[in-house]
Amino acid sequence: DIQMTQSPSSMSASLGDRVTITCQASQDIGNNLIWFQQKPGKSPRPMIYYATNLANGVPSRFSGSRSGSDYSLTISSLESEDMADYHCLQYKQYPYTFGAGTKLELK
Amino acid sequence: EVQLVESGGGLVQPGRSMKLSCAASGFTFSNYGMAWVRQAPTKGLEWVATISYDGSSTYYRDSVKGRFTISRDNAKSTLYLQMNSLRSEDTATYYCTRAPLPGYNFGWFAYWGQGTLVTVSS
Repeated sequence: DIQMTQSPSSMSASLGDRVTITCQASQDIGNNLIWFQQKPGKSPRPMIYYATNLANGVPSRFSGSRSGSDYSLTISSLESEDMADYHCLQYKQYPYTFGAGTKLELK
Repeated sequence: EVQLVESGGGLVQPGRSMKLSCAASGFTFSNYGMAWVRQAPTKGLEWVATISYDGSSTYYRDSVKGRFTISRDNAKSTLYLQMNSLRSEDTATYYCTRAPLPGYNFGWFAYWGQGTLVTVSS
């Protein structure tokens, strides 16, 4: 199975900060990675798919990038509505595997 | 508008069975792959099972293989998850999800239902 190592597990940041969350894949997944945002009591929301593509309706302050087996989600200027859990998912092969998640909180 | 509405969750004893349903609307159900994803309380997300648009192919995570069955009724636009021999570790919110594009290759979980909670406990 492909392991997705997500870091950090939690972080606190201030409004306006640049924030980066990373997932490392244990095997080649190409660009078959998606980032989800999940707020308490809500379903996950796709944010970035194919590693770098912004999903419909997602603010442009969100971006995704890839460097080898490392995938990053960046928020260029943190807003209060961005406080949430973030999850990465590889969909290159079954079993699909998620990262353990990152809890983003306001400092 | 794509809508996925899960039902059938609740409290069930270990070793018993439960069947979840997901009623789909707002798109041509028979054209899209579907999947179940679960999330244990305060834990991360976990893929459970996927079914192709026509039901001809199914995939399961190892921990549910032989116990869970994913199926679909395209005439009723409904997805199912039959869960047998339930264990405490199956306790989770179960989400119904849809592929982003029609066809055989599933891709990712583009649309999600609101989830239904399954609690396995005596």
